[in-house]
Amino acid sequence: GAVVSQHPSRVICKSGTSVKIECRSLDFQATTMFWYRQFPKQSLMLMATSNEGSKATYEQGVEKDKFLINHASLTLSTLTVTSAHPEDSSFYICSADTGGKAFFGQGTRLTVV
Amino acid sequence: QQQVKQSPQSLIVQKGGISIINCAYENTAFDYFPWYQQFPGKGPALLIAIRPDVSEKKEGRFTISFNKSAKQFSLHIMDSQPGDSATYFCAASIPSSASKIIFGSGTRLSIRP
Repeated sequence: GAVVSQHPSRVICKSGTSVKIECRSLDFQATTMFWYRQFPKQSLMLMATSNEGSKATYEQGVEKDKFLINHASLTLSTLTVTSAHPEDSSFYICSADTGGKAFFGQGTRLTVV
Repeated sequence: QQQVKQSPQSLIVQKGGISIINCAYENTAFDYFPWYQQFPGKGPALLIAIRPDVSEKKEGRFTISFNKSAKQFSLHIMDSQPGDSATYFCAASIPSSASKIIFGSGTRLSIRP
């Protein structure tokens, strides 16, 4: 099956700093990737659609200047949380599309202290 | 507006019993209905999926029942095992973006030995 890898799996950063999370499709090319956010014991909420070679499409209520998405190649999308604050602490998950199906990464636990 | 409603929020089933999770949707444009299984600290994994042209799909111990007229679908786990203890999400997507997944609120399933 298709494999999607996220890095890092866990990250702790200081308030005010920026953190970059990578999402890679290991054995297929993905023109579209998606970024989700999940708070404890809650569902996954779609944040944005990452399109290779073009600007990301953000869901309503998601600050595009805070959550920078770059999809520079067919196998890599990055999410940068800028000027992170404790309320940004969450589980961030990406997915990549192949054959009309979504395959998810293992997630990144971000803790802002 | 919650597009996919899921119940119950949590469920406890004895080993060997049948686990049943229900979902309802509002958007008639949805045409792909996957179920995901998520273990703590991990990304969701596709379990089974159905399209509205069939009323039932079975894969091993997992069965999806689909009622198009009622806009409802459910997951049945037969012979439930302790290893099935996880959070289950129903989901849906539209034809133009099959991998843009809209998740239900999730059900925390615990299988008692």
